Amino acid sequence: GQNIDQPTEMTATEGAIVQINCTYQTSGFNGLFWYQQHAGEAPTFLSYNVLDGLEEKGRFSSFLSRSKGYSYLLLKELQMKDSASYLCAVRDGGGYNKLIFGAGTRLAVHP
Amino acid sequence: KAGVTQTPRYLIKTRGQQVTLSCSPISGHRSVSWYQQTPGQGLQFLFEYFSETQRNKGNFPGRFSGRQFSNSRSEMNVSTLELGDSALYLCASSLDGRAAGELFFGEGSRLTVL
Repeated sequence: GQNIDQPTEMTATEGAIVQINCTYQTSGFNGLFWYQQHAGEAPTFLSYNVLDGLEEKGRFSSFLSRSKGYSYLLLKELQMKDSASYLCAVRDGGGYNKLIFGAGTRLAVHP
Repeated sequence: KAGVTQTPRYLIKTRGQQVTLSCSPISGHRSVSWYQQTPGQGLQFLFEYFSETQRNKGNFPGRFSGRQFSNSRSEMNVSTLELGDSALYLCASSLDGRAAGELFFGEGSRLTVL
């Protein structure tokens, strides 16, 4: 079956660093995505990993280990505006643009 | 460069009616996929179109259908609406058909069925 797990909720302090983990078991794999979604809004693209390793983009970094079925999103220098849901999604194999989403992690950033 | 554009943004329908939602992908993007987001089920894949052909379909009843035009714009249709169809419908576009690279979402169409 298809299964993507991530923590339901996390809290962190403004200025700190937080790591959101994602583990996946899917029948196929063709890349892993992280999206940010504020309440009532559409998902915003954050990162895309298809090879093992770390991808850094400003305050956000994403890591992938395909052998372990594991990824994390690292957010540095947290700001209040980072309070949102973070969605981990795997693109299924087979040559199609079909994403399988986790339930999302609600991050609350406190002063 | 304009992003993915979805219309209408909000709409209210009653049970039994049908609805058509529209999506214009990012210029040059040829793959369009549709997702349904509800609080209980999260984001679920509906279908994907590339070069006017449906390439993959999720586990939704036949009341959900779609199509893509030669300019890559896509529409999805839901017939005989049910209360459970109330959701945010999201369209995503990607550059090409090799299922590689980034996928960008539009703002979504929020459907309420009364």
